[in-house]
Amino acid sequence: DAKTTQPNSMESNEEEPVHLPCNHSTISGTDYIHWYRQLPSQGPEYVIHGLTSNVNNRMASLAIAEDRKSSTLILHRATLRDAAVYYCILRDVGGASGSRLTFGEGTQLTVNP
Amino acid sequence: DVKVTQSSRYLVKRTGEKVFLECVQDMDHENMFWYRQDPGLGLRLIYFSYDVKMKEKGDIPEGYSVSREKKERFSLILESASTNQTSMYLCASSFPRSPRTQYFGPGTRLTVL
Repeated sequence: DAKTTQPNSMESNEEEPVHLPCNHSTISGTDYIHWYRQLPSQGPEYVIHGLTSNVNNRMASLAIAEDRKSSTLILHRATLRDAAVYYCILRDVGGASGSRLTFGEGTQLTVNP
Repeated sequence: DVKVTQSSRYLVKRTGEKVFLECVQDMDHENMFWYRQDPGLGLRLIYFSYDVKMKEKGDIPEGYSVSREKKERFSLILESASTNQTSMYLCASSFPRSPRTQYFGPGTRLTVL
């Protein structure tokens, strides 16, 4: 999987929007952009994924730059429960059958009440 | 909702013991994975399986083995536990087809004394 770069930490206030950036300048045309998050003492949890177009689901939105070299995960109204480590991961559609995930260090999001 | 369950949340074993960690998924996923997570090292893939009785080594298979006799169940075995295997163990499953979203269990925190 190609490499991604994320800030180590970010802070937000409750009920405010949060924009979590991810740089992936070496992304290939077949790489999907996936976001996972890990709440304290839990396993990682899928958040959202996209290829070229912006995506929305009940948890978040994903904004993908036109050149696909960066993306932003958007939490529209942060809650205390959103405090977690957020991982941005690139997945090759045509990759090996193992489909392993390579997690970097991610961004630790702190949400202040 | 996809459900991945792991046999224990916390486990304490002694050096030299044989340890079994079990994982069960209820979504008929072909792919299953075992990771370990350690501070500063992120998630590292131990073994994965893309079908019953099929297994492949991940990045750190030494000291571990796996078993997949049924599609829904993937077991991780520590043949002779050592203190450096104290870690958080995470199981995941996915379909083999794009986008191969992985669903994780809650994790087992194993301490080897």
